[in-house]
Amino acid sequence: DTGVSQNPRHKITKRGQNVTFRCDPISEHNRLYWYRQTLGQGPEFLTYFQNEAQLEKSRLLSDRFSAERPKGSFSTLEIQRTEQGDSAMYLCASSFGENTGELFFGEGSRLTVL
Amino acid sequence: GENVEQHPSTLSVQEGDSAVIKCTYSDSASNYFPWYKQELGKGPQLIIDIRSNVGEKKDQRIAVTLNKTAKHFSLHITETQPEDSAVYFCAGSGGYNKLIFGAGTRLAVHP
Repeated sequence: DTGVSQNPRHKITKRGQNVTFRCDPISEHNRLYWYRQTLGQGPEFLTYFQNEAQLEKSRLLSDRFSAERPKGSFSTLEIQRTEQGDSAMYLCASSFGENTGELFFGEGSRLTVL
Repeated sequence: GENVEQHPSTLSVQEGDSAVIKCTYSDSASNYFPWYKQELGKGPQLIIDIRSNVGEKKDQRIAVTLNKTAKHFSLHITETQPEDSAVYFCAGSGGYNKLIFGAGTRLAVHP
């Protein structure tokens, strides 16, 4: 069990550019979550997948954000036309089962938009 | 939707003392309340959790209590050690399919 893996760990980009983050969950975990964390705050829910289906999206997820989990395994989070306010840590987590339970978090992808 | 408030935002204790962090939640339908510890540069890691059919749960030096009527739950750490220094987050199961986190408590344990 290698845990939840996120890439890249750090990304610095200029405003207006597109960025994509990848998350590889723990194998056999059917649920995958994306959260955003800013300095001094708790993780904020963005979206979650059960297998390949995206079942819920937060109001925080503007139309510049898109997430996919095409085969029910890894997931990508793309941010188009980045803004300085998008600078944050993007955390991916996975879990197993039908009900809310323990989330296993990756170490995050830190985005800095200049 | 669920809203979780956490207090205090910072907590400083001497090694060996106890630490208590408190959270309140808004959604009476929430039924799962975990606590996560986050160390610098790492993702949050579960340390203890409790479901709504239980009032208290203990695991060595840490314990969690839940008062469903008042909609609040607390984390208790006894005999604190320097390695307990971290940021702690409480969460509630808003909507049954996700966790809603509090803003966090930065705990500093001084030798």
